[in-house]
Amino acid sequence: QVLLQESGPGLLRPSQTLSLTCAVSGASISSDESYWSWIRQEPGKGLEWIGYIYYSGSTYRNPSLKSRLIVSVDSSRNQFYLKLSSVTAADTAVYYCARESPSVTGIFDHWGPGILVTVSS
Amino acid sequence: EIVLTQSPAILPMSPGERATLSCRASQSIGNYLAWYQQKPGQAPKLLIYDASNRATGVPARFSGSGSGTDFTLTISSLEPEDFAVYYCQQRSTWPPVTFGQGTRLDIK
Repeated sequence: QVLLQESGPGLLRPSQTLSLTCAVSGASISSDESYWSWIRQEPGKGLEWIGYIYYSGSTYRNPSLKSRLIVSVDSSRNQFYLKLSSVTAADTAVYYCARESPSVTGIFDHWGPGILVTVSS
Repeated sequence: EIVLTQSPAILPMSPGERATLSCRASQSIGNYLAWYQQKPGQAPKLLIYDASNRATGVPARFSGSGSGTDFTLTISSLEPEDFAVYYCQQRSTWPPVTFGQGTRLDIK
């Protein structure tokens, strides 16, 4: 059973850097041949795909966030990470980590429960 | 960027009724469309991928159809647990992928 769990701060001040961790169990990031993604959802709104990382370290970032976003992986810990710099109130959202299906790229078959991140002064 | 437009935004239905949800793409995406169900306080759950394939463990009352720009999610007979928000998502341009804005299925 593949499980994902997000962790990180729940409250940030504007201009700070958001750092989130996704811990994966039941699958090995280094051998699963999956892409591991971050997706966010503003309160009461729809879903926005942020970006992915592959175990090799290759990444793709949503162009709308690319200049502020770093996605990284630590295969030895079976974790991957998100860093989003210069946050504003517009970055307030529930952040999910998710696994893309290894057999159908681009669909998300396992999700973490999500973590609410609030940006407020 | 491909824009997915879902309709209606809110769909009031009663248990036992047949529900039809629509998703329209701003350009052709072949059959590269997925549907997710999201309940309050939970992460989305994959229901359908590539327009008509049910994900593992999804009940047969959920079915998907369509290709090109017009897609439909049908729930043949609504159960109480089906009242939730449903999102469509395209992977035709992966990466990136995009989601629709959602349809909320409400109990009438």
